[in-house]
Amino acid sequence: AQKVTQAQTEISVVEKEDVTLDCVYETRDTTYYLFWYKQPPSGELVFLIRRNSFDEQNEISGRYSWNFQKSTSSFNFTITASQVVDSAVYFCALSGLRSGSEKLVFGKGTKLTVNP
Amino acid sequence: DAGITQSPRYKITETGRQVTLMCHQTWSHSYMFWYRQDLGHGLRLIYYSAAADITDKGEVPDGYVVSRSKTENFPLTLESATRSQTSVYFCASGTRAGYEQYFGPGTRLTVT
Repeated sequence: AQKVTQAQTEISVVEKEDVTLDCVYETRDTTYYLFWYKQPPSGELVFLIRRNSFDEQNEISGRYSWNFQKSTSSFNFTITASQVVDSAVYFCALSGLRSGSEKLVFGKGTKLTVNP
Repeated sequence: DAGITQSPRYKITETGRQVTLMCHQTWSHSYMFWYRQDLGHGLRLIYYSAAADITDKGEVPDGYVVSRSKTENFPLTLESATRSQTSVYFCASGTRAGYEQYFGPGTRLTVT
């Protein structure tokens, strides 16, 4: 069975600090996808990134960066120079391509609070 | 407007009543999904659909019914609402199995 673990339930930082959100996954699939979603206080779920299991290159998008390490089954998300607007719950998710595993499995989320 | 919409956004109903939550997407995505979000449980899949007239159960389907007669609509019905179904319900759509899903704004349902 596929599983996503986000061990950090809540994180609180001061603005401009860097923060890393951890995500560890379990899957038997050889091909799979990893995702991050953001849920701000307004409640909507916003897709941030999809990563293919074949591609272990790190990705950077502005202040956001993602570190995918297959060897440790981790897909961590770093926010550099955090801002108050980054305050949200962040979800990591996993899907496979085999029949039955193509649905997204979500972690329970990490609530990030960025204080001014 | 293009995108995925849900209605109503807020609903209060009584135990035992039938209630239908609507979901509409304008992207012509093949896949559509219903999730519920509860504290301590994260997002749990209720039902999903790979195409019109094709639906399948997710993790927590009991007490819910879905249909998909048109690609763009995916209503979720609680046939006899119970207090345990008080939750925030999210509809989502996606282009391919296993790919990212795009979520609607959610419906907050309270069953009294």
